[in-house]
Amino acid sequence: NAGVIQTPRHKVTGKGQEATLWCEPISGHSAVFWYRQTIVQGLEFLTYFRNQAPIDDSGMPKERFSAQMPNQSHSTLKIQSTQPQDSAVYLCASSLDWGAYEQYFGPGTRLTVL
Amino acid sequence: GDSVTQTEGQVALSEEDFLTIHCNYSASGYPALFWYVQYPGEGPQFLFRASRDKEKGSSRGFEATYDKGTTSFHLRKASVQESDSAVYYCALGNMGYKLTFGTGTSLLVDP
Repeated sequence: NAGVIQTPRHKVTGKGQEATLWCEPISGHSAVFWYRQTIVQGLEFLTYFRNQAPIDDSGMPKERFSAQMPNQSHSTLKIQSTQPQDSAVYLCASSLDWGAYEQYFGPGTRLTVL
Repeated sequence: GDSVTQTEGQVALSEEDFLTIHCNYSASGYPALFWYVQYPGEGPQFLFRASRDKEKGSSRGFEATYDKGTTSFHLRKASVQESDSAVYYCALGNMGYKLTFGTGTSLLVDP
């Protein structure tokens, strides 16, 4: 079991550029989550997919952020026109199913916007 | 909305000391409660959970008891080791999937 895989581990972008972060959940897990971690805000829920369908994106900034899950083996988080305040560690997690709260986290992607 | 409060931002102990990290929550309904641990450069790791009042969760010598009356889920360990140095997060789960995390407690154990 390779665990949740996130790529890249580090990404540096210039202000205004686009960033795409990738997540490969654990095989067989039907729930996928994205979180953002910063020193100031801590761990914040962004969005949740179940069986590839978007269920809750209440934590996503309404502009510039979007997430997709085109198949059961990967999800992407895209940030358009990145701003310095988007700098954070973006964490992907998966769990066996809805209600199975044991969420397995990947190592995260550290995004730095210059 | 749901919230989790961890009062200790940092805890410094020596090996074999007793550990307590306080966690209090505020939530509608009857949430599940969790402890996660995070090591540098890694994502949070599930430690254990409890789903009902008076249930005790435990793992690796750590334990916590769900107390609905005091809305608490304090983490305890009888004898800490240097390898326990990490950041510990209390979290609550509501709505079947969403985790709300506390601000984390950084534990440093001197050998």
